[in-house]
Amino acid sequence: DIQMTQSPSSLSASVGDRITITCQASQDIRNYLNWYQQKPGKAPKVLIHDASNLETGVPSRFSGSGSGTDFTLTISSLQPEDFATYYCQQYDSVPIFTFGPGTIVD
Amino acid sequence: QLLLQESGPGLVKPSETLSLTCTVSGGSISSSNHYWGWIRQSPGRRLEWIGNVYYRGNTFFNPSLKSRLTLSVDTSENHFSLKLSSVTAADTAVYYCARLRWEQFHADFDYWGQGILVTVSS
Repeated sequence: DIQMTQSPSSLSASVGDRITITCQASQDIRNYLNWYQQKPGKAPKVLIHDASNLETGVPSRFSGSGSGTDFTLTISSLQPEDFATYYCQQYDSVPIFTFGPGTIVD
Repeated sequence: QLLLQESGPGLVKPSETLSLTCTVSGGSISSSNHYWGWIRQSPGRRLEWIGNVYYRGNTFFNPSLKSRLTLSVDTSENHFSLKLSSVTAADTAVYYCARLRWEQFHADFDYWGQGILVTVSS
C-alpha cells in the first residue's frame, strides 16, 4: 500500500505570507498526485492535478511541484479565502487511491 | 453544472447495514471517462477512499472495506449507491459521493456532493 504523509500538520500564517506544504509518498508515484482544498463544512475541491497542473478557475497564486516521492504545494501570497485544510492524494496505484492526513492553514 | 447529492439515514445501529444513494443531476451517469465514487471523512478529518463504480457496473473497492462493501449504479435513475454491512462506531463519518475523472495518466475527484453525516450508535 502507498502511504502519504504531509507536513506540517498545521501552520499559522497571515494574509500575504508565502506558504509551502509538503507531501511525501512511501514509494515512487511519478507525478500522479493531486492537491485538494477543504473549507469547514464543505467538500474538498481539487486545486492541482498531476502534481503541477492548476485546475481551471484556481488562482495562479497556487502552484504545485515535485515528482517521485516528494511534492509541494505553494501559495505565493495567502489570501483570506485560503485559510483551509489542504490534502494531497495519490493515484499511482489506481484504481486504489490514498489521501494524505491534511494540513490546516490558520 | 453537475450536482451530486447524497441521501440516506443519518443514524445506523451497530452490526446493521449502512445504505446511501448519490443522485447525479446536470449530467449523465453513463459517461465513458468517469467513474462514481465514495469517500468518507472521520471526525479526526482523515479522508478515506471507499470505492468506485462505473456505469456498466464495474467496481473497485478499498481493500480494507471490500468484504463489507457493495456498490451499484442505476442508470435509469441516474444514481449510484453504497451499502456497508456490519457497521461499527469506526464507520461513523461524513460520507461524500464524488465523480472520478479518470483518463490516461490522470485521475482526480472533480465533483463532490455536500456530504452526509452517518453516525453508528445504538
